[in-house]
Amino acid sequence: EAQVTQNPRYLITVTGKKLTVTCSQNMNHEYMSWYRQDPGLGLRQIYYSMNVEVTDKGDVPEGYKVSRKEKRNFPLILESPSPNQTSLYFCASSFSWRGSNEKLFFGSGTQLSVL
Amino acid sequence: TQLLEQSPQFLSIQEGENLTVYCNSSSVFSSLQWYRQEPGEGPVLLVTVVTGGEVKKLKRLTFQFGDARKDSSLHITAAQPGDTGLYLCAGGVSGNTGKLIFGQGTTLQVKP
Repeated sequence: EAQVTQNPRYLITVTGKKLTVTCSQNMNHEYMSWYRQDPGLGLRQIYYSMNVEVTDKGDVPEGYKVSRKEKRNFPLILESPSPNQTSLYFCASSFSWRGSNEKLFFGSGTQLSVL
Repeated sequence: TQLLEQSPQFLSIQEGENLTVYCNSSSVFSSLQWYRQEPGEGPVLLVTVVTGGEVKKLKRLTFQFGDARKDSSLHITAAQPGDTGLYLCAGGVSGNTGKLIFGQGTTLQVKP
């Protein structure tokens, strides 16, 4: 089944403890992206990757890191999480990003709470 | 920074009523997408419009992209309880940048 898989689904952590949220897609997609969703703010793009080894900042990259060493995986790293990073996070992928009219496939989300 | 203003934020209507959700910006977008999201799930793409003035229909849903590619609307005819959910518009930033800007979302509740 074609899908974007995020893990974990729920995560509670404490301030300053490094964490990684994994994202994997099995559709051979070139483009992958991370978003955070907060009430009243919609989805805001954190980082995106047009292809392997190519990543770029979205609108809210501060406090996050990403890597794209393989086509299928795009982990989101929080080196020193803070309470303002408590949010619902989504990973998404698409075949490519030519003309920005490609269909994005989203994972089921990771609810992160930083205490 | 490009912004997309979506309105209304909340909408509660009776089954059978019509409704329109708006997505507006002062910026031009290369494309405009509409997503629907249900609780506990990621957004699912409904439609993409790319040409100014374009109108697309998906059963009882009609999507329109403004002539200047700065705004879009979603119209639902004879809403049903199954239409309940969060509707999001998203604009592709011009220049093949890989950036996608989302509106704040419209929470729609259709009561039977």
